[in-house]
Amino acid sequence: GEDVEQSLFLSVREGDSSVINCTYTDSSSTYLYWYKQEPGAGLQLLTYIFSNMDMKQDQRLTVLLNKKDKHLSLRIADTQTGDSAIYFCAESMLDDYKLSFGAGTTVTVRA
Amino acid sequence: ETGVTQTPRHLVMGMTNKKSLKCEQHLGHNAMYWYKQSAKKPLELMFVYNFKEQTENNSVPSRFSPECPNSSHLFLHLHTLQPEDSALYLCASSRETSGGFNEQFFGPGTRLTVL
Repeated sequence: GEDVEQSLFLSVREGDSSVINCTYTDSSSTYLYWYKQEPGAGLQLLTYIFSNMDMKQDQRLTVLLNKKDKHLSLRIADTQTGDSAIYFCAESMLDDYKLSFGAGTTVTVRA
Repeated sequence: ETGVTQTPRHLVMGMTNKKSLKCEQHLGHNAMYWYKQSAKKPLELMFVYNFKEQTENNSVPSRFSPECPNSSHLFLHLHTLQPEDSALYLCASSRETSGGFNEQFFGPGTRLTVL
C-alpha cells in the first residue's frame, strides 16, 4: 500500500469548517506537511508540524497529529471559495530529505 | 510566484518526438527535483540534483534524461515517450538535500500529452 493515504474528495459549504485527513505508515516520520495546489499552479507549503507536537495553529489553519494512530488532519475554519484546491499531505524522516506525498484531497467549496 | 518557473506550460508530442522541459529557480537553492503528477496518484519523485550532482534516480525509464548545468537550471529531455507518460511534470527546489525539515518550492508544472 501507499506510505501516505488521503481521501480523494471533500465538498464543503462556504463558511463551514473543512477537515482533511491523512494517515501515514512510517513511525519514524519526523516532519509532516500540508501543501496546497491551486488550479494551474504548483504546490505551495501551507503548514507543517514536527513529530514532537500534537497541535499547531496558524490563523484559520489547525493541524492535529495523533502519533499513536499515525493520523494527521488539517482543519480550515470559515472555508472560503479561495480555499478550493488540492491539498497534499507529506512526510519526511530525520535522516532523509525526500518527501513522501499522498495522492491529494480535492476540496470543493460550494456557495 | 514561488520563484520557480517552468517552460513550456503545455506540451503535446508524438511518440517519436524529442522535446525538453526547462526549469529555473531564482531562490539561490542548491537542490532541484523532478516529479511526475498523475491524477489520483501520489507525486512520484523522479530525479534529484544537489549542487549539480544527481543524487537520486527513482528507477525512471531511460526515455527521460535529466540535465542540471548549474544550480539554477534543470532540464528534462524526453524521447520516444509512451502515452502513459502523459502527466503534469513538476519541478521543485530546496536549500539543499539535508534530512529533517525540507521545504520544497514548486513550479507550476508542464502539462505533457503524448499522442
